[in-house]
Amino acid sequence: KAGVTQTPRYLIKTRGQQVTLSCSPISGHRSVSWYQQTPGQGLQFLFEYFSETQRNKGNFPGRFSGRQFSNSRSEMNVSTLELGDSALYLCASSSGQKWGYTFGSGTRLTVV
Amino acid sequence: GENVEQHPSTLSVQEGDSAVIKCTYSDSASNYFPWYKQELGKRPQLIIDIRSNVGEKKDQRIAVTLNKTAKHFSLHITETQPEDSAVYFCAASSGGSYIPTFGRGTSLIVHP
Repeated sequence: KAGVTQTPRYLIKTRGQQVTLSCSPISGHRSVSWYQQTPGQGLQFLFEYFSETQRNKGNFPGRFSGRQFSNSRSEMNVSTLELGDSALYLCASSSGQKWGYTFGSGTRLTVV
Repeated sequence: GENVEQHPSTLSVQEGDSAVIKCTYSDSASNYFPWYKQELGKRPQLIIDIRSNVGEKKDQRIAVTLNKTAKHFSLHITETQPEDSAVYFCAASSGGSYIPTFGRGTSLIVHP
């Protein structure tokens, strides 16, 4: 079966702009979690969506938001981009009712 | 919330040697401990996991041990090979949310 698909793979944005990232989970998975990965901080949890509702949230500012659609696809939005937002953004798909994460290949965001 | 500490941050070994990565966790309710391997430029992939009702689990050259009393768990790789070179992440989660908290990662370098 198809894996977790993230688009786009690479993005370059300017400070102050906004960006939207997309994640399509494994078919049948209802949970999508988002992580920010940076060299110094490892994998930082942003939020999790389950059945179109945000179920868990990490400690990121309100500039980071997300949503999930009825087909379980999820989008993450970052507004008013800062240089420090440059990172690899990973989404992880799971059933949401038991353990087992599958990661996508990520979107590499560079803010200049 | 859960806090996971991982050591060392970098581990350099000769091919054929063993490698050990150690993690500690803070939440006594955590009961699932996965390990992920992330090769350069690729997505994290689950390589082994252990649940709190088990003390040790092996899969070929990889083993994980868990000490619930001390709240620490370790990854052991025997007979290391150059293809084992990657960043390894430990994580801990509880049945309450299924969201894993990750350690900061260990960069394992295996020299031929």
